[in-house]
Amino acid sequence: GIQVEQSPPDLILQEGANSTLRCNFSDSVNNLQWFHQNPWGQLINLFYIPSGTKQNGRLSATTVATERYSLLYISSSQTTDSGVYFCAVVGYQKVTFGIGTKLQVIP
Amino acid sequence: KAGVTQTPRYLIKTRGQQVTLSCSPISGHRSVSWYQQTPGQGLQFLFEYFSETQRNKGNFPGRFSGRQFSNSRSEMNVSTLELGDSALYLCASSLAVGQGFDRLNTEAFFGQGTRLTVV
Repeated sequence: GIQVEQSPPDLILQEGANSTLRCNFSDSVNNLQWFHQNPWGQLINLFYIPSGTKQNGRLSATTVATERYSLLYISSSQTTDSGVYFCAVVGYQKVTFGIGTKLQVIP
Repeated sequence: KAGVTQTPRYLIKTRGQQVTLSCSPISGHRSVSWYQQTPGQGLQFLFEYFSETQRNKGNFPGRFSGRQFSNSRSEMNVSTLELGDSALYLCASSLAVGQGFDRLNTEAFFGQGTRLTVV
C-alpha cells in the first residue's frame, strides 16, 4: 500500500516564527489532505490539495504530485497553532495517514 | 450543513464485553470509513462502506465489524473487547464520484471521535 512519511516528527517554534512541514508519499495518489488534530481529537480539515498551491490565511500548502510530496507552510505562528498536523493521502476507498508532526508554539 | 456526527463521545467498557459505535455522515455522502487511533500505532484504517457494502478492509481481527444502513449511517462493532482496543475511533464521510461500485472518494470529513477505554 501507499506509504506516507512526514517530517519533522516534532517541532518547537517561538510565536511569530514560520515553519514548513513536509509530506512524502510513495505512489501516485488521487488526492491529498492536510489536517490539524485539536486537543480533543477531532481532525480539522486544512487543505484538500491533490496538486498545486492553496492558501488560507497564514497557512498555505503546495503539492507536487509528479514528485510525490506536499508541503504545509505556517507563517507568523500563534500558540493556537499547536497540535498535531497530519498529511493523508486518499486512495479509492481509504485514507492513509502519516505519523504526524507535533507542533508546539511557545509564547 | 451538519457535519459528521459520532456517538457516543466517550465509553468505558470491561474486557470481554462488546461495543457498538455510530457514525452519521454529512447529508449526501454515501461513503463512510472508520479509523483507530492509538499512541503506538497512529491512525489506522479499519474499513470503508459505500451503499451498504464494505468496499475495503484494513488489517484488523474479525472482532472488528461494521455495517452501513440505507440512510448511509454506519455502525462499527467490537466484540470480546481487549485492553489494546482502548483508542480513539474516528469515522470519515466522503462523496464518491464516478460510476459504479469503484467510485472514487473525494475530500474526507471526520467526526469528533469516540474515545473508548477498556478496563
